[in-house]
Amino acid sequence: EIVMTQSPATLSVSPGERATLSCRASQSVSSNLAWYQQKPGQAPRLLIYGASTRATGIPARFSGSGSGTEFTLTISSLQSEDFAVYYCQQYNNWPQWTFGQGTKVEIK
Amino acid sequence: EVQLVESGGGLVQPGGSLRLSCSASGFTFSSYAMHWVRQAPGKGLEYVSAISSNGGSTYYADSVKGRFTISRDNSKNTLYLQMSSLRAEDTAVYYCVKDLDWGQGTLVTVSS
Repeated sequence: EIVMTQSPATLSVSPGERATLSCRASQSVSSNLAWYQQKPGQAPRLLIYGASTRATGIPARFSGSGSGTEFTLTISSLQSEDFAVYYCQQYNNWPQWTFGQGTKVEIK
Repeated sequence: EVQLVESGGGLVQPGGSLRLSCSASGFTFSSYAMHWVRQAPGKGLEYVSAISSNGGSTYYADSVKGRFTISRDNSKNTLYLQMSSLRAEDTAVYYCVKDLDWGQGTLVTVSS
């Protein structure tokens, strides 16, 4: 099983600041990596797929990068609605998808 | 537009059974593998099960193997998850997923 490790567990950021979230895979997943945002009581919302492609309707302040085993989600200027939990997911090893444990982005 | 609507969740006693359904629309259901992912209260996402497009191949997480059965009816555009021998640790919101499209989930609570 491919283990996905996210860091940090919690990120405290002020509105307007930049946030950088990391996700590491225990073995290469090529670019088969997605990022989700989840707010309480809601389903995960797809932000990024293919490591760097924004999903439909996702603002340009969200960007993804990386390949292989190291990935980054960057939120260039945090808005109030961006405070949430973010998960990475590898879908390279079908059907054994795996998820990171999540990074909570909170208001500083 | 892809729509995935889960149903069948509820309160069940330990050791009991429940069948979840996922009604799919907006895409050619029979052409896609489908998945179930769950999330326990306050916890992260856990991959549960997958089924190939024609139903010929299935996969289960070790935590549910032997207790859960995934199936599909391509004539009805519906995915199922039959859950038996339920345990308290199966309490979670269960999501139906196609590629990277997710339903809204259905809550399963296992408690006496």
